[in-house]
Amino acid sequence: NAGVTQTPKFRVLKTGQSMTLLCAQDMNHEYMYWYRQDPGMGLRLIHYSVGEGTTAKGEVPDGYNVSRLKKQNFLLGLESAAPSQTSVYFCASSRGTSGRNEQFFGPGTRLTVL
Amino acid sequence: AQRVTQPEKLLSVFKGAPVELKCNYSYSGSPELFWYVQYSRQRLQLLLRHISRESIKGFTADLNKGETSFHLKKPFAQEEDSAMYYCALSRNSGYSTLTFGKGTMLLVSP
Repeated sequence: NAGVTQTPKFRVLKTGQSMTLLCAQDMNHEYMYWYRQDPGMGLRLIHYSVGEGTTAKGEVPDGYNVSRLKKQNFLLGLESAAPSQTSVYFCASSRGTSGRNEQFFGPGTRLTVL
Repeated sequence: AQRVTQPEKLLSVFKGAPVELKCNYSYSGSPELFWYVQYSRQRLQLLLRHISRESIKGFTADLNKGETSFHLKKPFAQEEDSAMYYCALSRNSGYSTLTFGKGTMLLVSP
């Protein structure tokens, strides 16, 4: 099993460009999450999904959109990238609610916005 | 609102020395607490959770509800313990997400 995979691994964007980050998991998990990791800030939740077709906002959702059309995929979109969105983005999945279930993380996507 | 505080950004110790990574939380209900670890060039992974009351790689953590703390301890640090450690909190019922602390980098020198 590949676990949680993320595409792409690296990306450089210019301000105002758009892009989509893809997260895929092969563990049949219901829950999926997108985080951003910034120096000195830890991991902050952007959006999450509790099942196919559902999404919800996390701590820092502004400037991002997500979709969960298939259970195994969770897409994170940036419609108009800004330098403040330069970060490392992590996707994660879990079998059920985070209170009782381990989250499994992807390898991360390093995004730079110039 | 729930909050996790890790007061130390960096903890540097020598091999064989005891290690304690501090974690304090703020939450009005009954929490679930976790420690996640990120080794260099590896993905974030679960180290241990308080509900399991287990020891992983020699690390233990006890939930102290009176002091609202969940400190991570190891009696004798090893060089391979060098990593970024994150404390995380979740509610123990209903839909729940993880709230992470800002992390502590542990450096173990030979």
